Amino acid sequence: GQQVMQIPQYQHVQEGEDFTTYCNSSTTLSNIQWYKQRPGGHPVFLIQLVKSGEVKKQKRLTFQFGEAKKNSSLHITATQTTDVGTYFCAGQGGCQGNLIFGKGTKLSVKP
Amino acid sequence: EAQVTQNPRYLITVTGKKLTVTCSQNMNHEYMSWYRQDPGLGLRQIYYSMNVEVTDKGDVPEGYKVSRKEKRNFPLILESPSPNQTSLYFCASSLSRGPSSYNEQFFGPGTRLTVL
Repeated sequence: GQQVMQIPQYQHVQEGEDFTTYCNSSTTLSNIQWYKQRPGGHPVFLIQLVKSGEVKKQKRLTFQFGEAKKNSSLHITATQTTDVGTYFCAGQGGCQGNLIFGKGTKLSVKP
Repeated sequence: EAQVTQNPRYLITVTGKKLTVTCSQNMNHEYMSWYRQDPGLGLRQIYYSMNVEVTDKGDVPEGYKVSRKEKRNFPLILESPSPNQTSLYFCASSLSRGPSSYNEQFFGPGTRLTVL
């Protein structure tokens, strides 16, 4: 079945450093979503990417969807302590495919 | 306020004692889903529902039941809970599931369940 692999599992950075998490799917995706879960909280939707090669930005966050629609990345420029949390990608395959979540990347930021 | 609510938020129970976790959304969403979150395993889907009276298994349905009698409610039922069902449970809803639709999922606050 469809699998979504996400790396790294953990990332520790100094405040001000950049951070990137990567997702790879075993199958072509119709779209990919990204969520952030703060410690003790619930996942919160960040963005959805649909088009091949799509790049979207939200302030210091840059999201990319690969040309083959099988991989995606989230890049944070100049991390801040407010960026702490776990970032999940979730890929949807096919017309009515379920959303399959990656295992998440837990980001910690040292002030 | 648009939201997904879950009750209870915390529950400690014993093996075999039937329990229900309620989930309700006020956004008129068609699609609802239950996930469990375990350390190192991420979010795994238990059951989902595309509309009233339409439910289907996710990746880890064993030991769980659901029902969708009304659009807003999607309860999760554990008929005979076991310790391996100790987990953090999230209910989520979205407008629909189709790829051409904007299907952002809204998550509830979570229910932390411990089965002794």
